[in-house]
Amino acid sequence: NTKITQSPRYLILGRANKSLECEQHLGHNAMYWYKQSAEKPPELMFLYNLKQLIRNETVPSRFIPECPDSSKLLLHISAVDPEDSAVYFCASSQGTYFSNERLFFGHGTKLSVL
Amino acid sequence: AQSVTQPDARVTVSEGASLQLRCKYSYSATPYLFWYVQYPRQGLQLLLKYYSGDPVVQGVNSFEAEFSKSNSSFHLQKASVHWSDSAVYFCALSRMGYKLTFGTGTSLLVDP
Repeated sequence: NTKITQSPRYLILGRANKSLECEQHLGHNAMYWYKQSAEKPPELMFLYNLKQLIRNETVPSRFIPECPDSSKLLLHISAVDPEDSAVYFCASSQGTYFSNERLFFGHGTKLSVL
Repeated sequence: AQSVTQPDARVTVSEGASLQLRCKYSYSATPYLFWYVQYPRQGLQLLLKYYSGDPVVQGVNSFEAEFSKSNSSFHLQKASVHWSDSAVYFCALSRMGYKLTFGTGTSLLVDP
């Protein structure tokens, strides 16, 4: 799926700071960060609509999202914890409200915390 | 509260056999229902979705799902599976103004 690109693809961290990047080429208004731990379904972390933060689930403060424009999404991570090891997916949808909108997912960034 | 239950964590079928993956939901009204598939090392992709109308909805790759209000179910079916269908399948539910709720997923292995 080249319509939503995420980088890096793999990330191994000690306690360093790092940013995950996402860009969607679909012209969608809403962008999401999801966390998927091993053998679990994706869990919503953040939702942006037209660059505005709409939903902020219960996420540790070391995760800070940023939406510099409507097609880009960043996730800044500081002082990671072993429980942060997971795959982080960026997703997008045409509209905002959680209804019948189809989500498009990127390939994800696999974060491994040492 | 809304919830989705996928009772089968793992399912193994032989190539060419028929398939049913079960999904039960809990919500007082009719929700929006989805099936997503996740192939290894990839993001989720939509297979099909339902809100109203014909209770049998067609999706990609010959998958279909049948909505049953009386049983609160939205089971996924395919008449003849291929080895490339091996993946994790997620049933999901949403309603206006609320986030998408995923089930725990069913890992499908198709024996060639």
